[in-house]
Amino acid sequence: NAGVMQNPRHLVRRRGQEARLRCSPMKGHSHVYWYRQLPEEGLKFMVYLQKENIIDESGMPKERFSAEFPKEGPSILRIQQVVRGDSAAYFCASSPFSWGRDGLYNEQFFGPGTRLTVL
Amino acid sequence: AQSVTQPDIHITVSEGASLELRCNYSYGATPYLFWYVQSPGQGLQLLLKYFSGDTLVQGIKGFEAEFKRSQSSFNLRKPSVHWSDAAEYFCAVGATGRRALTFGSGTRLQVQP
Repeated sequence: NAGVMQNPRHLVRRRGQEARLRCSPMKGHSHVYWYRQLPEEGLKFMVYLQKENIIDESGMPKERFSAEFPKEGPSILRIQQVVRGDSAAYFCASSPFSWGRDGLYNEQFFGPGTRLTVL
Repeated sequence: AQSVTQPDIHITVSEGASLELRCNYSYGATPYLFWYVQSPGQGLQLLLKYFSGDTLVQGIKGFEAEFKRSQSSFNLRKPSVHWSDAAEYFCAVGATGRRALTFGSGTRLQVQP
């Protein structure tokens, strides 16, 4: 069973360009999460999606960032008009839906990340 | 809102020595707790998790962690460290009703020969 796939692994963009990051969840997983890791910091939650639905985008910057998880194909994190401060590692995670204590079961499996460098 | 504190930014131990990495969380109810390991340039690998039941949790690679509700802690331990354990370790907490994980800032482990 293949793990979570992310591509590209490394992405270089100039200021003002667009960055598109892709994530294919593990087989059978219907939930996708995006996290950002700035240099020397921990991961910060950005957005949680199910197929064709954004469930929680409380960690997404209000402007320039968007995410989707279409019925077919990978999840996409899109950053428009990138700035130097967007340089970071972006990790995708996926989980199955299952019931546990208190109704939710929160185990997530992480991909290798996309390292975005903005020049 | 929940939060996680890893008070040690950097720890160095000798190979074969025991290891304990500290994690304290803040959350109003019983949390879901995780330890992940990240090797340089790599993604995160789950070491172990706590949801309920026995407060001493066994994980992969010989790691274990103990949930102490009274201290709001979930410290990671290993009795004998190997050079290959050198990596960054992240503690994370999940909350009922919200799937987003909140991560600590990480502890970087160095292993001396």
